[in-house]
Amino acid sequence: RKEVEQDPGPFNVPEGATVAFNCTYSNSASQSFFWYRQDCRKEPKLLMSVYSSGNEDGRFTAQLNRASQYISLLIRDSKLSDSATYLCVVNKGGNTPLVFGKGTRLSVIA
Amino acid sequence: DTAVSQTPKYLVTQMGNDKSIKCEQNLGHDTMYWYKQDSKKFLKIMFSYNNKELIINETVPNRFSPKSPDKAHLNLHINSLELGDSAVYFCASSQEPGGPGELFFGEGSRLTVL
Repeated sequence: RKEVEQDPGPFNVPEGATVAFNCTYSNSASQSFFWYRQDCRKEPKLLMSVYSSGNEDGRFTAQLNRASQYISLLIRDSKLSDSATYLCVVNKGGNTPLVFGKGTRLSVIA
Repeated sequence: DTAVSQTPKYLVTQMGNDKSIKCEQNLGHDTMYWYKQDSKKFLKIMFSYNNKELIINETVPNRFSPKSPDKAHLNLHINSLELGDSAVYFCASSQEPGGPGELFFGEGSRLTVL
């Protein structure tokens, strides 16, 4: 089983739609969780951290379910500029590196 | 000013050649990384250095040799290039080894081996 698994998509949604991405991780010792965004032919950039209680940043909501080892990202009122690949990222702590999922591709269509 | 800069941005070379990619960060971070993103877009850690010391080597072939002359620089030298080395190589830095803080990536170096 891969350490971090995501549905690769693509998710094609109209502007204004709400879309949700899911991610599962295999290591129950994982401590930190993030969503990164990667635009086509660009570098990944941090979108938001994911906290146990769930957190929101504008139109973006991230949730963590430790019991199910599951992370989600919800995007409300999708914009054309949200089109990108969204990477689920997990960290076990200590000196271990961040582990990236393969990403979920989102295309927001006018 | 670019926070993490890597050169060259594009590299096209023949099998068997040796090439280097350079990376510099001006964020004052202690930890630097090399990640490889292959054609399937899978981003995988290769190496991590903390204050010039190697802390992670993820079973990368020894044709790949990182060098960190100081904590602001981490270069990657690749010997005897193979077709499978074609990928985008991203340098990154963070304040702490492995996080949990943010990773800052360079723009990537796209290597094509013919």
